Amino acid sequence: ETGVTQTPRHLVMGMTNKKSLKCEQHLGHNAMYWYKQSAKKPLELMFVYNFKEQTENNSVPSRFSPECPNSSHLFLHLHTLQPEDSALYLCASSPQREEYEQYFGPGTRLTVT
Amino acid sequence: GQNIDQPTEMTATEGAIVQINCTYQTSGFNGLFWYQQHAGEAPTFLSYNVLDGLEEKGRFSSFLSRSKGYSYLLLKELQMKDSASYLCAVSGLNTGFQKLVFGTGTRLLVSP
Repeated sequence: ETGVTQTPRHLVMGMTNKKSLKCEQHLGHNAMYWYKQSAKKPLELMFVYNFKEQTENNSVPSRFSPECPNSSHLFLHLHTLQPEDSALYLCASSPQREEYEQYFGPGTRLTVT
Repeated sequence: GQNIDQPTEMTATEGAIVQINCTYQTSGFNGLFWYQQHAGEAPTFLSYNVLDGLEEKGRFSSFLSRSKGYSYLLLKELQMKDSASYLCAVSGLNTGFQKLVFGTGTRLLVSP
C-alpha cells in the first residue's frame, strides 16, 4: 500500500467527453504531482503543486486542467483529448524537502478513442 | 536541457549480480534517484544519491559520479521478483529539486 490512491484505475473516453482523474494522499505531504507515462517514453512531469498552489506547468496543453483543493487531493480534468493522450497518468506526493523521494500512486490507464 | 540514457532491456539469472547503468547530462545537478516499477504498478523508491560514491541498502546499491555524469544500480542475489523496470531520474539545480527528469527505464528480466 503506497499511501497514494488514484481513481479510476482505468478510463476509456471519447474525444468529446469530459472526465476527471482523482488522486488522494494519506501521507501528510505538502507537494503533489501529475505525471504522464506513455509506452516506450520516459515518465514525464506535467504539473507540480506545493501547499495547494501550482508551481510548475511543464508546457502541458490546456485540454488538461489540474485542480488542487487541499494538500491531500489532486484532480486532473480532461476535455477534448486526442488519441495520443492515451497513457498511464500517475499521481505522486512528497514532503517539500529535496532529499525525500516522491511516492507514486498506482495510476489511471487512460484510453482515448 | 537534461538528457538521461539507460539500456532498454537486460537479462540475468536468479542468484546473479546485475549492474544497470545510467548516464545523464544536466544544466546543473541536484540529485539522482532510482525507482523500481513492476508492470502495471506504481514506481517505488529505491535510492537517492547526491554525493559521489556508493550507497548500499540491502541487496541494492547505487553509485554516483557527478564529474562523469554517471550512475549505476547494482542488484545482488537476484530474485525472480526483481523482474521489473528500473527508472533513473535526475533533478537539476537550475530547475529545482521537484522537477525530476526520468530515463526511459531499463526492463530487467530475471530467469531461473
